[in-house]
Amino acid sequence: AQKVTQAQTEISVVEKEDVTLDCVYETRDTTYYLFWYKQPPSGELVFLIRRNSFDEQNEISGRYSWNFQKSTSSFNFTITASQVVDSAVYFCALSEGSPGGGNKLTFGTGTQLKVEL
Amino acid sequence: KAGVTQTPRYLIKTRGQQVTLSCSPISGHRSVSWYQQTPGQGLQFLFEYFSETQRNKGNFPGRFSGRQFSNSRSEMNVSTLELGDSALYLCASTSTAGGGELFFGEGSRLTVL
Repeated sequence: AQKVTQAQTEISVVEKEDVTLDCVYETRDTTYYLFWYKQPPSGELVFLIRRNSFDEQNEISGRYSWNFQKSTSSFNFTITASQVVDSAVYFCALSEGSPGGGNKLTFGTGTQLKVEL
Repeated sequence: KAGVTQTPRYLIKTRGQQVTLSCSPISGHRSVSWYQQTPGQGLQFLFEYFSETQRNKGNFPGRFSGRQFSNSRSEMNVSTLELGDSALYLCASTSTAGGGELFFGEGSRLTVL
């Protein structure tokens, strides 16, 4: 069975601080996909990144960066120089890659990020 | 390019009634998934449809059902509503058969009284 753990329920930072959101996953599949989504108060889940299990390269996109480590089953997300607009709930998710797995996502419980002035 | 559209955005029902929610995916997307989000259980997978066929189903009672039409639009139905069905119901679409990034709508917020 798949499982995604986001141990940090809520994080508060002051604007311009760097913040890392942790994500640990469990799966028996050798092929799988990892995702991060952002959910602002409006409710819509906004896609941020997708990674497959064979690509452990870290990725940077503007102020966002992701660190994927298969050895520790972690896929952490760092926001550099946080801004008030980054305030939202962030979800880590896992999708299995086995045939028939389809597009089913298993989500973590989310981390509420509050960025204050 | 238009995003995923869900209707209605808000609705209030009473226990025992039934409800139908609608989802129009992004043009060209053949996969539509539904998720239930509650404060207690978080985001839970309901089901996925691909080319009008249900491919996956989550651990929900038979009161929850869905379907997909030939134009990829999807509906989900909940019969005999219970208070615990109050939730944000999110629809997502993708163009891939598996492992793809899902694009979500803004959701339908259901309140059961």
